Amino acid sequence: GNSVTQMEGPVTLSEEAFLTINCTYTATGYPSLFWYVQYPGEGLQLLLKATKADDKGSNKGFEATYRKETTSFHLEKGSVQVSDSAVYFCALSDRGKLIFGQGTELSVKP
Amino acid sequence: KAGVTQTPRYLIKTRGQQVTLSCSPISGHRSVSWYQQTPGQGLQFLFEYFSETQRNKGNFPGRFSGRQFSNSRSEMNVSTLELGDSALYLCASSLVGKDSGNTIYFGEGSWLTVV
Repeated sequence: GNSVTQMEGPVTLSEEAFLTINCTYTATGYPSLFWYVQYPGEGLQLLLKATKADDKGSNKGFEATYRKETTSFHLEKGSVQVSDSAVYFCALSDRGKLIFGQGTELSVKP
Repeated sequence: KAGVTQTPRYLIKTRGQQVTLSCSPISGHRSVSWYQQTPGQGLQFLFEYFSETQRNKGNFPGRFSGRQFSNSRSEMNVSTLELGDSALYLCASSLVGKDSGNTIYFGEGSWLTVV
């Protein structure tokens, strides 16, 4: 079946460091791909999405490109802030439902 | 535009009891789905409703059920609660819900603790 694999956390970075969170997927067909973020005690917020190969989703300085050849959708940000500390989830759409990775906790230190 | 609204936000129940959680989707959204989030299992899909019909179901026992009303509002029910049902239950809505790139928006969740 379809699945999503994310890099293990927690990831700890200093403010202004470069961020990459790896995400790879297994799927039949070409699902839409998403990154969601969850701040402590809150629900999931959509961060960005891409609906077809080579699409680049971007929001709030975060970017991810839908790579069909490597079945990847890595999340990147050039300069992280303390306020980016949260758990990040990669997900794919599968017939109306989302399949999530296990989540990657990011902690940004001042 | 109001987001997905879930009630109650927090609740504590005793083993063996049952619980009902409510969800109001974003206005105009007709697809409502539910997810369970636990530290051990992560985010898992429970079920999805569209136009009052269950269209998709995850791998959960029959104790977990749901329904959708004509105004798209949805409820989920868990009967005979077990300790392992303690989780964050997230409701989500989308315009259509199929693989058309439509985005799924989540509510803040209902935190259920079973004691």
